[in-house]
Amino acid sequence: KAGVTQTPRYLIKTRGQQVTLSCSPISGHRSVSWYQQTPGQGLQFLFEYFSETQRNKGNFPGRFSGRQFSNSRSEMNVSTLELGDSALYLCASTTGQDYTEAFFGQGTRLTVV
Amino acid sequence: AQSVAQPEDQVNVAEGNPLTVKCTYSVSGNPYLFWYVQYPNRGLQFLLKYITGDNLVKGSYGFEAEFNKSQTSFHLKKPSALVSDSALYFCAVRVPRGAGSYQLTFGKGTKLSVIP
Repeated sequence: KAGVTQTPRYLIKTRGQQVTLSCSPISGHRSVSWYQQTPGQGLQFLFEYFSETQRNKGNFPGRFSGRQFSNSRSEMNVSTLELGDSALYLCASTTGQDYTEAFFGQGTRLTVV
Repeated sequence: AQSVAQPEDQVNVAEGNPLTVKCTYSVSGNPYLFWYVQYPNRGLQFLLKYITGDNLVKGSYGFEAEFNKSQTSFHLKKPSALVSDSALYFCAVRVPRGAGSYQLTFGKGTKLSVIP
């Protein structure tokens, strides 16, 4: 069965722009979580979506937002990009019941210049 | 707060030797613990998990981990290291956030280098 698909794999954006990242979870999984990975801060939780609703949110500014569609695909949006938003963004797919197995996508490498 | 710590930023081991990557946890209640591996410019690959039961957990690619409640540790081990095991390893703990929601809280990661 297909794994977690994230698109695009790489992005280069300019400060002040906005960006949208996409994540398609494993078939049958209803929860998508997003994480930011940077060399300085490591892996940090952004938010979780389950059945089209944000169920949980990490400590990030409101410039970071997301949504989930009825087919469980999720998008993450970052507005007014800052240099510090440069990171690898990972999404994790789970059934949504108990988070005992989270499968990650390959990530989207965002570079803000 | 529920957290994990990886005390070593880097571990070097000779090919064929046993390897250990350390993780300690601070959790209230029963911990759900995980190990993931990351290769350069790739996502996280699930290696193994401890939920309950046997303290020795076997996972992918010949890795295993030992859960030790008295020492609050969950060290990753492999009897014989391969050069291809060289990667970044993350320990993680499942943290409940209410309303049926959870998140993973990760350690800082340990870079494993296996020397031929």
